[in-house]
Amino acid sequence: GENVEQHPSTLSVQEGDSAVIKCTYSDSASNYFPWYKQELGKRPQLIIDIRSNVGEKKDQRIAVTLNKTAKHFSLHITETQPEDSAVYFCAASITGGSYIPTFGRGTSLIVHP
Amino acid sequence: EAQVTQNPRYLITVTGKKLTVTCSQNMNHEYMSWYRQDPGLGLRQIYYSMNVEVTDKGDVPEGYKVSRKEKRNFPLILESPSPNQTSLYFCASSLLGRLASTEAFFGQGTRLTVV
Repeated sequence: GENVEQHPSTLSVQEGDSAVIKCTYSDSASNYFPWYKQELGKRPQLIIDIRSNVGEKKDQRIAVTLNKTAKHFSLHITETQPEDSAVYFCAASITGGSYIPTFGRGTSLIVHP
Repeated sequence: EAQVTQNPRYLITVTGKKLTVTCSQNMNHEYMSWYRQDPGLGLRQIYYSMNVEVTDKGDVPEGYKVSRKEKRNFPLILESPSPNQTSLYFCASSLLGRLASTEAFFGQGTRLTVV
């Protein structure tokens, strides 16, 4: 089955700095890579996703890149703000047919004011 | 409003006393799943269902049961809870299909403590 590794487990940055979280996956058939943000005491919610036919996707201060050859994808947050502090999860899955998402273990991002 | 609803939000129970955590979604999603979240271990899948009457084990199914008699409901059953099942539980649902948005919608979570 799919295996998703996520690093780092904890990331501490100063407000205004950039933050990068990296994930690798094992199943070359995976074609959908979402990122979820979980604020303290709340449920995970989708913040951005990317499909395997795209190399990069941006949404304001958030971007995700995908390298299919190396089987890794990354979340980039620029100009971090204290409200970006949360746990971030990456996931990999196959759309159509047997969709079974595999999540990474999560990254706790702390943005210091 | 599109949502996934779990109940209860908080539960404290004793070892061996059967309990059920309910999960309901109003988005007509085929796929539903249960996860447990423990510090340092992320989201681990317990059971999932691709459609009515179709369920399968995830990564950590021991001590849990599920059923999918209706498309909207996917209850999680602990027949004989033990302290190592103390955790935060999330139900999630999503559409299936190659062209569908496969965003997972999560419930609010259930904080279970087994003493």
